[in-house]
Order: sequence, then C-alpha cells, then structure tokens
Amino acid sequence: DQQVKQNSPSLSVQEGRISILNCDYTNSMFDYFLWYKKYPAEGPTFLISISSIKDKNEDGRFTVFLNKSAKHLSLHIVPSQPGDSAVYFCAASRKFNDMRFGAGTRLTVKP
Amino acid sequence: DADVTQTPRNRITKTGKRIMLECSQTKGHDRMYWYRQDPGLGLRLIYYSFDVKDINKGEISDGYSVSRQAQAKFSLSLESAIPNQTALYFCATSVGGSWSYNEQFFGPGTRLTVL
Repeated sequence: DQQVKQNSPSLSVQEGRISILNCDYTNSMFDYFLWYKKYPAEGPTFLISISSIKDKNEDGRFTVFLNKSAKHLSLHIVPSQPGDSAVYFCAASRKFNDMRFGAGTRLTVKP
Repeated sequence: DADVTQTPRNRITKTGKRIMLECSQTKGHDRMYWYRQDPGLGLRLIYYSFDVKDINKGEISDGYSVSRQAQAKFSLSLESAIPNQTALYFCATSVGGSWSYNEQFFGPGTRLTVL
C-alpha cells in the first residue's frame, strides 16, 4: 500500500513562473520529509527536507511546506528555470524506520 | 569520479538466471541501501545495511539477497531472475546516526531486463 502519494504524474510550467509539486501521505507517524530530484540516466539527488516540527523550510529558490493536519506537503520552485526540468520524488520516514517514496512528478519548465 | 558507482549499468538476462548487481562507494559512509524503481511506484527499499555485520530486509526483499563485502561494497543478487524483477535498481549510501534523517546519496542506477 502506497503511504506516500504524488497524484500528478507530470507538470508543465513556463520559465520564471512558480512550480508547485504536491505530495500526500497516509501514515501519521512520519516525522521527516524529503524531496529528491532525478535527471535521466542519473540517480536521485537530495534537494530539500523538513522535519515535522516545522511547517516551512526554504533553500534558495526551493521551499517546502508541510501541513500535518492535512498530511500534505508541497515543494515550491520560484522562479522556475529550464534546468529544473526533472522528475521530483517526495519521501517520508519515521525515526529508525525505512524511507517511503512517492511515484514521482515529472516537471517540465518551458523556455 | 562518482562517489557511488554501480555495475553493470545495463543488463539483459533470461528467466531463471542468477544475477549480481554491484555497488561501490568512496564516501566512507557506513550505511548502504538497495532500491528498485518501477513506473508509477517510485522507489522501494529492498535491503539495507548499517555496517559490514548488519543486513536488514526492506519493503520488498523476496527473491533478492545481498552481501556486504566491505564498508565500501554492497552487492544485490537475484537468485533466479523472473520477468517482474525487470526494473531500474539503485544503490544508495548515508552517514550513520539516526539514519532515516540522513540524506541518501544514490548511484546512477542499473537497468535490468529479465526476458
């Protein structure tokens, strides 16, 4: 059973605009959340993370928001750049337990 | 040079064959992991190892085995490959400690096709 869901398989945005990628989870025991980015023929690379004690974490153009009551997190990319085009995976974990990944969202940023 | 390497990068094999995928890392990390990626399912953990003497089953270990030959080497074996093991396989590493909280560093992946 998929405990982490990314319901949008793909997203297309214009360069310079905001990209919003969404992720939902079902297990209320998850307390740490991560986003990974994956380019073709490469492994995923860590992008940004957030602990459940926070509701927002920002790193440059990337911001992750966590809504624990809704069991929802989102990744905002502002402004979007063509080099951001990749597959984005949401992941969730709880202390000393394995990490669960979503199915991924393919982001395309058009020039 | 890549910190986490996987060999081979691509492999086509037949049902019933034994296959070994290898992973090496130069990051000096204690923890190593094997995942598989399937379309629509994301990455799922097969096995993980916290150190050379520690091996643990992940979410989907049936049909797989692993060997941690050294801190830097972690291999995944398919004892008798079947077509539904066709997938993209990733090795990953992380620093010790509260492991779920540690960023994982992934290799480039091995694309395995079982005919």
